[in-house]
Amino acid sequence: EVKLVESGGGLVQPGGSLRLSCAASGFTFRSYWLSWVRQAPGKGLEWVANIKQDGSEKYYVDSVKGRFTISRDNAKKSLYLQMNSLRAEDTAVYYCARDGGYGVFDYWGQGTLVTVSS
Amino acid sequence: DIQMTQSPSSLSASVGDRVTITCRASQSISSYLNWYQQKPGKAPNLLIYAASSLQSGVPSRFSGSGSGTDFTLTISSLQPEDFATYYCQQSYTTPALTFGGGTKVEIK
Repeated sequence: EVKLVESGGGLVQPGGSLRLSCAASGFTFRSYWLSWVRQAPGKGLEWVANIKQDGSEKYYVDSVKGRFTISRDNAKKSLYLQMNSLRAEDTAVYYCARDGGYGVFDYWGQGTLVTVSS
Repeated sequence: DIQMTQSPSSLSASVGDRVTITCRASQSISSYLNWYQQKPGKAPNLLIYAASSLQSGVPSRFSGSGSGTDFTLTISSLQPEDFATYYCQQSYTTPALTFGGGTKVEIK
């Protein structure tokens, strides 16, 4: 059974940092692109970042470029999102998602809530 | 950037109704269009990929159609468990990806 379990969310002040983790199981982790997708309270879905199987390519939505860094550890079957210079508008549930091919998200984690507030 | 526009943003329907949701891309995306269902407090769930291919395990009352800029998700006979929010997503510009704004299907 494919499982993706996020952790690391919480309350952080504006300008602060947070590192999200996503632990994967049930599939060959190193064979898939992975993404972070977020959802602000009461709003729609927004793709945030993704990373190639070997970590050699990384892409970001414009609003987080220079502030967020996606990474992965294939030996630990884990995906990460380092979030710096956080803003109130980064408040959201953050999901990790597996790309089953051609940008199709076939499995999602349960999400972790990040709240940026003073 | 490709913008995805869904309509309507919400609709009310009754059990047994045929429901149609549309998604329009700001430029042609061929058939690189996917549909997801999201229930409150839950992660999204893939329904349809490549515009018309039904994901394994998804009931056959769900279907997708379209290509180019205009796409449709149809629920042939709405069931109680189908009340949810539906999102389209383009993957033509992968690895950069965008979602539509969502359509909330409510009970009439």
